[in-house]
Amino acid sequence: NAGVTQTPKFQVLKTGQSMTLQCAQDMNHNSMYWYRQDPGMGLRLIYYSASEGTTDKGEVPNGYNVSRLNKREFSLRLESAAPSQTSVYFCASRGILYTEAFFGQGTRLTVV
Amino acid sequence: QKEVEQNSGPLSVPEGAIASLNCTYSDRVSQSFFWYRQYSGKSPELIMSIYSNGDKEDGRFTAQLNKASQYVSLLIRDSQPSDSATYLCAVISDSGGYQKVTFGTGTKLQVIP
Repeated sequence: NAGVTQTPKFQVLKTGQSMTLQCAQDMNHNSMYWYRQDPGMGLRLIYYSASEGTTDKGEVPNGYNVSRLNKREFSLRLESAAPSQTSVYFCASRGILYTEAFFGQGTRLTVV
Repeated sequence: QKEVEQNSGPLSVPEGAIASLNCTYSDRVSQSFFWYRQYSGKSPELIMSIYSNGDKEDGRFTAQLNKASQYVSLLIRDSQPSDSATYLCAVISDSGGYQKVTFGTGTKLQVIP
């Protein structure tokens, strides 16, 4: 059982380049999330999707876009990467009601 | 005021001692509460969930919830060096028609052999 799978695990981008982080879950969860984690800042919500076809901004959405392609997949796109977007990115999914979130392995992104 | 607050630590305890980790939250109508463990360079993994007031025990771990005081804690008995990690508190609450998941910044625990 794979759970939540993120790709890639590591990425180095030059300022201004674009890229898409991929996330897929096989737990039939409705809700999916993208977080970034920076030292001393904890997990900050970038975007979330409460169900297939819906997406909403979280705490730090600027510079990012998302697509909920289907129930399984939720991608995060950086259109023009900036050094401030250097971070570790986590995708997560949740099932019904007030249950816990499950995390992917993370993507360590460096923008130079 | 942060929505979920934790002492960043580090909290240092000797091997075999009880480690006590604390978390406070601001949204009085929060519904469910979780403790995650995160090793350096890894993703958070769930270790405990608690939904109602009182204590919940699972092996060496005990979660305690006091909704009146808006306080949730995690006790780790017989602490082991392998427990050294950052512990994240997470709270779920209803917000404008969706369920908001908010994390604290984490408490770093060091268990000294």
